[in-house]
Amino acid sequence: GAGVSQSPSNKVTEKGKDVELRCDPISGHTALYWYRQSLGQGLEFLIYFQGNSAPDKSGLPSDRFSAERTGGSVSTLTIQRTQQEDSAVYLCASSLDGGQGAFFGQGTRLTVV
Amino acid sequence: RKEVEQDPGPFNVPEGATVAFNCTYSNSASQSFFWYRQDCRKEPKLLMSVYSSGNEDGRFTAQLNRASQYISLLIRDSKLSDSATYLCVVKRGRRALTFGSGTRLQVQP
Repeated sequence: GAGVSQSPSNKVTEKGKDVELRCDPISGHTALYWYRQSLGQGLEFLIYFQGNSAPDKSGLPSDRFSAERTGGSVSTLTIQRTQQEDSAVYLCASSLDGGQGAFFGQGTRLTVV
Repeated sequence: RKEVEQDPGPFNVPEGATVAFNCTYSNSASQSFFWYRQDCRKEPKLLMSVYSSGNEDGRFTAQLNRASQYISLLIRDSKLSDSATYLCVVKRGRRALTFGSGTRLQVQP
């Protein structure tokens, strides 16, 4: 497909387990963003990758959260030792370069029970 | 102070009305500006970029006022399908896109 693809679309996990969320950006897009959104709330920035530059990790809420982007394409967001407050929709977006608007995937709905 | 501020609304307007939203941003070094719309339980979708000269896309017109640091979105001839939350977005340098909290629009028959 031509759009941003995220998997899984839904994930239910037990408190304390680790989860990995995947994002396939649009081909050729150098910028990739992760945000999360709790029900009824705004978008919360997590991390931003731009080309070969060091990622902006300033939005990661704790050291339980990490992300990588391999080969300038696919990105994985990892949450270790999940907590109930981690429950949210995790949204990935990509753009052609850092100065343009970004296109979002459909998100991963994470529920920690 | 938030970097991007929007009136949360809701704005309740009848079909066919013209409605305008404003958004203010705090950092004068912001370089790129966008409007997104987000439907309930869906991902945000890029509506339009905002340029200094102003730009129009069908019924939608976006304006940027750098001196006053605000961005506006005008929707003419509102449709029921325009009901959504409209997000104002700014970008500065190497930083990520910063989203406002959104303005909710409800178009009523």
